[in-house]
Amino acid sequence: SQQGEEDPQALSIQEGENATMNCSYKTSINNLQWYRQNSGRGLVHLILIRSNEREKHSGRLRVTLDTSKKSSSLLITASRAADTASYFCAPSGDTDKLIFGTGTRLQVFP
Amino acid sequence: KAGVTQTPRYLIKTRGQQVTLSCSPISGHRSVSWYQQTPGQGLQFLFEYFSETQRNKGNFPGRFSGRQFSNSRSEMNVSTLELGDSALYLCASSLSVRYNEQFFGPGTRLTVL
Repeated sequence: SQQGEEDPQALSIQEGENATMNCSYKTSINNLQWYRQNSGRGLVHLILIRSNEREKHSGRLRVTLDTSKKSSSLLITASRAADTASYFCAPSGDTDKLIFGTGTRLQVFP
Repeated sequence: KAGVTQTPRYLIKTRGQQVTLSCSPISGHRSVSWYQQTPGQGLQFLFEYFSETQRNKGNFPGRFSGRQFSNSRSEMNVSTLELGDSALYLCASSLSVRYNEQFFGPGTRLTVL
């Protein structure tokens, strides 16, 4: 099993700006997932990108994956105050369980 | 379709006691995973069950145990509670065990006094 490491640990932006957070991992993967967690609540699945994909979109979310650099990025465009949350990446390799990193705490100011 | 439900939502116990938390997965989901989340350690994997069998286990002491029933509902038990067990316990279900999107419940907030 492996753990993703999110960067930065915290990010503060104004509404309307774009937010970019990164994830690095150590070994080969089959896919990588991104999740969001609002304060004190359960995680919500955002997007899954497979190892043979380079980019994926979902609404205002854009995820890229670079398997040669073992990294992924999550871009949220035109951020809203409701996007304030912690964001976690979960790379998945040969083992089944998902190991989450410490996340990126995003604060979007109105 | 109803989401993942966890009961109770909040719990207060004292050191030395034991606690049982319950998780009902989404209908049709056969895999259930448990996580512990604390400010200091972040989100840590506890265990995963599929078809009543524990498939994976995290690095937690034997005081933490779990089980899954034939209807896929799962329980986790913590015995001899310690102050450090205070945390948000999250349950997640998925259709199967491999690489699938996980659906999380709202969590059980356990406070140990």
